[in-house]
Amino acid sequence: AQKITQTQPGMFVQEKEAVTLDCTYDTSDPSYGLFWYKQPSSGEMIFLIYQGSYDQQNATEGRYSLNFQKARKSANLVISASQLGDSAMYFCAMSPREAGNQFYFGTGTSLTVIP
Amino acid sequence: DTGVSQDPRHKITKRGQNVTFRCDPISEHNRLYWYRQTLGQGPEFLTYFQNEAQLEKSRLLSDRFSAERPKGSFSTLEIQRTEQGDSAMYLCASSSTKGGYTFGSGTRLTVV
Repeated sequence: AQKITQTQPGMFVQEKEAVTLDCTYDTSDPSYGLFWYKQPSSGEMIFLIYQGSYDQQNATEGRYSLNFQKARKSANLVISASQLGDSAMYFCAMSPREAGNQFYFGTGTSLTVIP
Repeated sequence: DTGVSQDPRHKITKRGQNVTFRCDPISEHNRLYWYRQTLGQGPEFLTYFQNEAQLEKSRLLSDRFSAERPKGSFSTLEIQRTEQGDSAMYLCASSSTKGGYTFGSGTRLTVV
C-alpha cells in the first residue's frame, strides 16, 4: 500500500526565517518520485520540487530544498527566507513506478508567514 | 499555451442533478488525469487517459461518474444524480510522456 503522512496540520513562521514541513511516505516500490506542491486559496496546485528515489543528492529549487532521507522514508521540504506570499497549503506527493501515473497525496500542511 | 484550463471554476447544484466539468490540457500533453479533493484532504486520483483511451480508474469513480476524452484533447467529467458527498474540488492535470505534470485551478462543486 502507498501512503503519505504529513503530521503538521498548521505551521507558523516569521517572515525571512526558514521553515521545515515534514513528510513521510511508505511504499514497497524501489522506484518512485517525491513531489511537493503549493496550493494557494485559488485552488491551483503549483509544483515546487521533485526528488527521485535513486537521486543521490537532495533536490533544490531556489528557496526550496528537499531533505531526502531514504532509510527513514522522509522527504521534508525546507523553505528558506520565508515570504508573505508563501502562506498557503503545502502537499507532499509520491508517484511510485508501479502505480503508473497516479499520485498519492498527504493531507497537507497549512503554512502562515507572519510579518 | 496558458496551462491546464478547467471550466467552470465554481458550480452549485441541487442534489439529484447532473453536472459536467470540462478540462483543457496543455496542447502537447497526451496524458490527462482527474483528481478529487475534499475539504481538509489532499487530492485523490480518479482516472487517467492516454490520448483518448481511459487506462486507469479508481474505485472512487462510482457508477454515477463518467469521464471521456473523445478526441484525445479536452476531457469531460460528468456526475449523475449528485449527492452532498460529491461536494469537493475536482482537479485536472496533464503531462507528456516526458513529464511536465501540471494541474489546473480546479472546479469547486457544492451540492445543496
